[in-house]
Amino acid sequence: GEDVEQSLFLSVREGDSSVINCTYTDSSSTYLYWYKQEPGAGLQLLTYIFSNMDMKQDQRLTVLLNKKDKHLSLRIADTQTGDSAIYFCAEGGEGGGNKLTFGTGTQLKVEL
Amino acid sequence: EAQVTQNPRYLITVTGKKLTVTCSQNMNHEYMSWYRQDPGLGLRQIYYSMNVEVTDKGDVPEGYKVSRKEKRNFPLILESPSPNQTSLYFCASSFTGFTTEAFFGQGTRLTVV
Repeated sequence: GEDVEQSLFLSVREGDSSVINCTYTDSSSTYLYWYKQEPGAGLQLLTYIFSNMDMKQDQRLTVLLNKKDKHLSLRIADTQTGDSAIYFCAEGGEGGGNKLTFGTGTQLKVEL
Repeated sequence: EAQVTQNPRYLITVTGKKLTVTCSQNMNHEYMSWYRQDPGLGLRQIYYSMNVEVTDKGDVPEGYKVSRKEKRNFPLILESPSPNQTSLYFCASSFTGFTTEAFFGQGTRLTVV
């Protein structure tokens, strides 16, 4: 079955760049997503990338996709304290069936 | 405002006492789904529904039931809750499957003692 893996924790200083990594196993997934979960809140879609793309940039966010290695990353430029949250990588879409398969989530802590 | 509304937000109950967590969306989405979130496991799908009267099992359906009598509502039913169902539950909806953005509710934190 599908499997999505992420490291559990990442700590960065305010103003630095953060890079959150994710690996997945289902090569037939059409879409790969990054969701953000703030404390006590639901999940908010940050960005997504189609499986036929290598990169997508959206303001401070850059998503890189390496299909060969099944590796997805999210780079947050100029990380702020408001970026502190749990970040989930997820795969889904036509090849992935009628669900999103989530990673375990990466807790990002931004220190002053 | 487009939203997915879950109720209650917090619930403590006893083993075996039937409960229902409601989920409602106002976006006319066809697709709705329930997930549970547990530490170190991420989110796992419990059930999903592709449209009214169409439901199917996700990865962890044991101990849960759902119904989809109307497009906007997708309640999650625990007929006989057990402590291993203590978790954070999320309802999600999207236009069609997960090829478009999924909107999530705020979550329901359930404790079964």
